[in-house]
Amino acid sequence: KAGVTQTPRYLIKTRGQQVTLSCSPISGHRSVSWYQQTPGQGLQFLFEYFSETQRNKGNFPGRFSGRQFSNSRSEMNVSTLELGDSALYLCASSTGLAGPMEQFFGPGTRLTVL
Amino acid sequence: AQKITQTQPGMFVQEKEAVTLDCTYDTSDQSYGLFWYKQPSSGEMIFLIYQGSYDEQNATEGRYSLNFQKARKSANLVISASQLGDSAMYFCAMRGGKAAGNKLTFGGGTRVLVKP
Repeated sequence: KAGVTQTPRYLIKTRGQQVTLSCSPISGHRSVSWYQQTPGQGLQFLFEYFSETQRNKGNFPGRFSGRQFSNSRSEMNVSTLELGDSALYLCASSTGLAGPMEQFFGPGTRLTVL
Repeated sequence: AQKITQTQPGMFVQEKEAVTLDCTYDTSDQSYGLFWYKQPSSGEMIFLIYQGSYDEQNATEGRYSLNFQKARKSANLVISASQLGDSAMYFCAMRGGKAAGNKLTFGGGTRVLVKP
């Protein structure tokens, strides 16, 4: 069974640009969550999508948005990039159903904003 | 609000010895789950072990065991017989009650370096 995949793995952008990151969950998983990891703030929850609906949202500005498609693939978009958006962006997939709901993470997309 | 605290920013451990990584948590939820993840330098988060708040027995997965003390709100990870490949960052995380969905709250992490 293939794991969680994220594309691209590395990205360099300049301030003011926008970026779209993609995450393909494990087959059969309907929940995708996104996290931002920075040296200063650690790992912070961005949002979770389940069956194409945003189910939960962290404390990030509206520049951060996401969506999920009918095949459970998810995209995350950041508009008007700032230097502080430089981070490792991780997505995690799970079944989203009741139970332990282990979350399996992808390799991440490392975004650098210049 | 949920909070996870990992008080050990870094530690050295001798190969083949056991190591305990501390994790304390704070939550008002009655039902919650506790996770440990390993993050090598490559960046990927690798799931290690899970403990549910209602589980009476401590979770074990191979060389990993979780020392769950509910009254003290602690969920320490024990790695037995350390290997060089265990060198990595380790994160403790919590998922809260139903309202939290799949949201994980992470601690600050502990960097482990295994010495040969």
